[in-house]
Amino acid sequence: GENVEQHPSTLSVQEGDSAVIKCTYSDSASNYFPWYKQELGKRPQLIIDIRSNVGEKKDQRIAVTLNKTAKHFSLHITETQPEDSAVYFCAAFTGGFKTIFGAGTRLFVKA
Amino acid sequence: DVKVTQSSRYLVKRTGEKVFLECVQDMDHENMFWYRQDPGLGLRLIYFSYDVKMKEKGDIPEGYSVSREKKERFSLILESASTNQTSMYLCASSYYRSTSGISSGANVLTFGAGSRLTVL
Repeated sequence: GENVEQHPSTLSVQEGDSAVIKCTYSDSASNYFPWYKQELGKRPQLIIDIRSNVGEKKDQRIAVTLNKTAKHFSLHITETQPEDSAVYFCAAFTGGFKTIFGAGTRLFVKA
Repeated sequence: DVKVTQSSRYLVKRTGEKVFLECVQDMDHENMFWYRQDPGLGLRLIYFSYDVKMKEKGDIPEGYSVSREKKERFSLILESASTNQTSMYLCASSYYRSTSGISSGANVLTFGAGSRLTVL
């Protein structure tokens, strides 16, 4: 069935360093790839997304890249700050109402 | 501010009890979803609904049912709660954000705050 794999499960970086989270999806029909951030005790919130006809998208310190051929997409956070500490979920959507999520990456940014 | 409201943040129930989790959205969204969140497993879809009185099974529907009598309200029902249903339950609603020239839209989810259920 449809599956999204996400790595690493935990990531610890020093403040100011970059963080990269990688995901792989199985369904080649997937056409929309959102990323959600969940701070401790709060609800997941959309932070950035990318469509299948775009290879890269950037919003200030965060960027997403998509390699359709390899079915890989990644989240890049530059100049990390303590408030970036959270769990990040990648997801894939094929248009049939279902959004499939990865298992999540817990990011720790050490001050 | 758009809102998805889950009626209970914390519930403690006993094995075999019937449990109702309520979710209300005020965004006039067509689609509503129930996810279960467990550490290391991400968010797994239990059921979803794309219209009033319509429902579809997600990836883990066993032991659950749903009800959507009104557009704004989507209820998750555990007919006979079991200890393996102890979890965080997240409700979400969505709209399709179309992109010019592309027939299929993007399913942008807005989540509720979650209901943490403990079954003893």
